[in-house]
Amino acid sequence: EVLLVESGGGLVQPGGSLRLSCAVADLSVYDYDMHWVRHRPGKGLEWVSCIGTAGDKYYSDSVQGRFTISREYDANSLSLHLSSLRVEDTATYYCAREGGKGDMDVWGRGTTVIVSS
Amino acid sequence: IVMTQSPLSLPVTPGEPASISCRSSQSLLHSNGNNYLDWFLQKPGQSPQLLIYLGSNRASGVPDRFRGSGSGTVFTLQISRVEAEDVGVYYCMQALHTPYSFGQGTKLE
Repeated sequence: EVLLVESGGGLVQPGGSLRLSCAVADLSVYDYDMHWVRHRPGKGLEWVSCIGTAGDKYYSDSVQGRFTISREYDANSLSLHLSSLRVEDTATYYCAREGGKGDMDVWGRGTTVIVSS
Repeated sequence: IVMTQSPLSLPVTPGEPASISCRSSQSLLHSNGNNYLDWFLQKPGQSPQLLIYLGSNRASGVPDRFRGSGSGTVFTLQISRVEAEDVGVYYCMQALHTPYSFGQGTKLE
């Protein structure tokens, strides 16, 4: 069974940094497009970033230049490095696999980031 | 691409049908003939789950009471007979162009 498990969330001050990880079981992170999606309190889902099978990387306008997506070969995991964090980045961050038809068919349980002084 | 859902709140009675509309600011029809429009359900306290992909294809394990339809810029999710387990927030999402984008969400209650 494909399993995605996020970690790395926590409390961080505005302007700070954090690294989120998504451990992946039963598939290679290099074989699929992988995404990060966040859910801010009281708001809807927001697409954040993705990395394609060819290593191409994309970001939403709200995180462009502050967040960096990557894959870790040895750990078979997906990462998201968050920097210059803002209060409005407070959210639960989910990683998801795209099955190849624009379908995010497997999701993790999420990890929560709180940006506050 | 801006995604607009309606209604934003949908009170329903178990056993009755329900319908959610999703409109995109640009056509989601790819040259390969597929519409890159997904539907997700986020139940309270849970991760989002895929219901429909490519506009009208039910994801694995999704009951056949869920039906997705539409093309271009207008899409609909229909539930033939709502069950208690269907409560949550429904989102449409376009997957044609990055940045991908979600609708605002429709709360089914």
